[in-house]
Amino acid sequence: DARVTQTPRHKVTEMGQEVTMRCQPILGHNTVFWYRQTMMQGLELLAYFRNRAPLDDSGMPKDRFSAEMPDATLATLKIQPSEPRDSAVYFCASGLGSSFSSYNEQFFGPGTRLTVL
Amino acid sequence: TQLLEQSPQFLSIQEGENLTVYCNSSSVFSSLQWYRQEPGEGPVLLVTVVTGGEVKKLKRLTFQFGDARKDSSLHITAAQPGDTGLYLCADPNTGKLIFGQGTTLQVKP
Repeated sequence: DARVTQTPRHKVTEMGQEVTMRCQPILGHNTVFWYRQTMMQGLELLAYFRNRAPLDDSGMPKDRFSAEMPDATLATLKIQPSEPRDSAVYFCASGLGSSFSSYNEQFFGPGTRLTVL
Repeated sequence: TQLLEQSPQFLSIQEGENLTVYCNSSSVFSSLQWYRQEPGEGPVLLVTVVTGGEVKKLKRLTFQFGDARKDSSLHITAAQPGDTGLYLCADPNTGKLIFGQGTTLQVKP
């Protein structure tokens, strides 16, 4: 049963610390997305990659957030330094995409719940 | 950015009742998607609607795409506690998903 996996599932850290979240997309999927979910803002896209190349990171605070795909089986989202306002659930999703992916399904991981004190 | 407005924000009903939730916009969409998110999990795709006026059924769930392709609705017949969750509509037309704020549904036994 192919699934997107994310680690850790929960992370509590103190303000100023570095946080790294990891995602393993479904094997064969070429597009990986990072979303953030909060009560106030709902689900928002932070960044996404196709064939490991960043396509859009306009939703990501550039000064503290960075997203990478070291290889096709691993995507990372790093926050340095973390702040209390970064507290949220971070979801990774993967799918098969092309230039016009209107109907392709995205498969979401279970999320990383981040609390920054 | 095309804004998706969902209503109601919260809905709490008894098992067996029917309900409808709405997803509205002033913009026209080529397609819309509906997702359900259960507590502690990521969203899961329920359906994609692509044709104005289209009706799709998934067991007790009925999805409709407005004739003008600006809005969509989800009707649940005889709701069950297992239907509890966050229902999200999303615009998939740019290769990424733009979500509405969602409707939180609680179905009490």
